[in-house]
Amino acid sequence: SQKIEQNSEALNIQEGKTATLTCNYTNYSPAYLQWYRQDPGRGPVFLLLIRENEKEKRKERLKVTFDTTLKQSLFHITASQPADSATYLCALDTGRRALTFGSGTRLQVQP
Amino acid sequence: EAGVTQFPSHSVIEKGQTVTLRCDPISGHDNLYWYRRVMGKEIKFLLHFVKESKQDESGMPNNRFLAERTGGTYSTLKVQPAELEDSGVYFCASSQNRGTGDEQYFGPGTRLTVT
Repeated sequence: SQKIEQNSEALNIQEGKTATLTCNYTNYSPAYLQWYRQDPGRGPVFLLLIRENEKEKRKERLKVTFDTTLKQSLFHITASQPADSATYLCALDTGRRALTFGSGTRLQVQP
Repeated sequence: EAGVTQFPSHSVIEKGQTVTLRCDPISGHDNLYWYRRVMGKEIKFLLHFVKESKQDESGMPNNRFLAERTGGTYSTLKVQPAELEDSGVYFCASSQNRGTGDEQYFGPGTRLTVT
């Protein structure tokens, strides 16, 4: 069956360090992979999109990698700040536009 | 520009009653999506409109759910009759029509509690 896995355990890191979040999937052939941020009581907010033929994408302190052979995406936040504390969601789009979400990883950045 | 808005923010109804959720997408966005998150689970796709047409309704759980988007602007999602398992947060999202892979802009969600 199709499955998207994100670390269900919260990730705690120290301010200034790099946070790395993982998204693994099975039985999908996504055309696009997106990362969203969600704060409590709010809707997801789009961060980055990477296409199946792209290996890496960057935006300011954010970097996403996409390995379709390993069926894995890594999401990095460099020089992390307490304001980066949130839940980060991985979402796959097979080209139909309907997004399939992972359960999210909660990031806590300690000052 | 104004973001995606949803109304109400919270609804508490009894089993068997009817509830209608409303979503106003970002102006000019042809694509409108409904998703929901039930307790402890991931966000799941319900359906996708392109303008006023249903493009994909493969995620609708059953025929108690009816979505409309008259005139291709705002959308409503009606649950009739509501069951306990319908409780959760219903998100609406919209995107432009630049081709596939567009980022989606989400509203704050409607928290539905069925008692």
